[in-house]
Amino acid sequence: GNSVTQMEGPVTLSEEAFLTINCTYTATGYPSLFWYVQYPGEGLQLLLKATKADDKGSNKGFEATYRKETTSFHLEKGSVQVSDSAVYFCALRVGNDMRFGAGTRLTVKP
Amino acid sequence: NAGVTQTPKFRILKIGQSMTLQCTQDMNHNYMYWYRQDPGMGLKLIYYSVGAGITDKGEVPNGYNVSRSTTEDFPLRLELAAPSQTSVYFCANQKGTTDTQYFGPGTRLTVL
Repeated sequence: GNSVTQMEGPVTLSEEAFLTINCTYTATGYPSLFWYVQYPGEGLQLLLKATKADDKGSNKGFEATYRKETTSFHLEKGSVQVSDSAVYFCALRVGNDMRFGAGTRLTVKP
Repeated sequence: NAGVTQTPKFRILKIGQSMTLQCTQDMNHNYMYWYRQDPGMGLKLIYYSVGAGITDKGEVPNGYNVSRSTTEDFPLRLELAAPSQTSVYFCANQKGTTDTQYFGPGTRLTVL
């Protein structure tokens, strides 16, 4: 079946620190991969996506590369800000089947 | 444009009561989805629709029903509420098969 496993949190970093949130997947077909962000009291917003192997998604300083050989889609940011504090979800889609990871809560302290 | 809107924002139900969670979109997207998010967990797909008049089960459909009589509306019905249905419910839409999903703000439901 299709599933996503992501690094459990919470993650607490100081401002300007480097961020990595690990995400691995299993899929029966050829998935598209996503990172969504959820701010308190809001719905999920798409952060970035990649639709085929070796694609790199990027947005707002965040990046993730679709690695088929390691079935991974790790999220990275070189210098986090307090405003990046949120819950981050890795997700995959195969056809109409959309699967989400459990989410990783990130807190960035000044 | 409002995007994807959900009502109500919060609701408390007693065991055995029924209710309908409303979801409306003004984006004219064909695909619509209902998810539930339990504390500390990712989202799980309850039902989805690929267009008006067409619905299908997702990963966790038991205890729920949906209808899609128009492109705009995709209500989720709980007939006999149970404590296990305490969750945050999100509606989402999507234009086409490979496009991004856009989420509503959610409905927080508590069943006591």
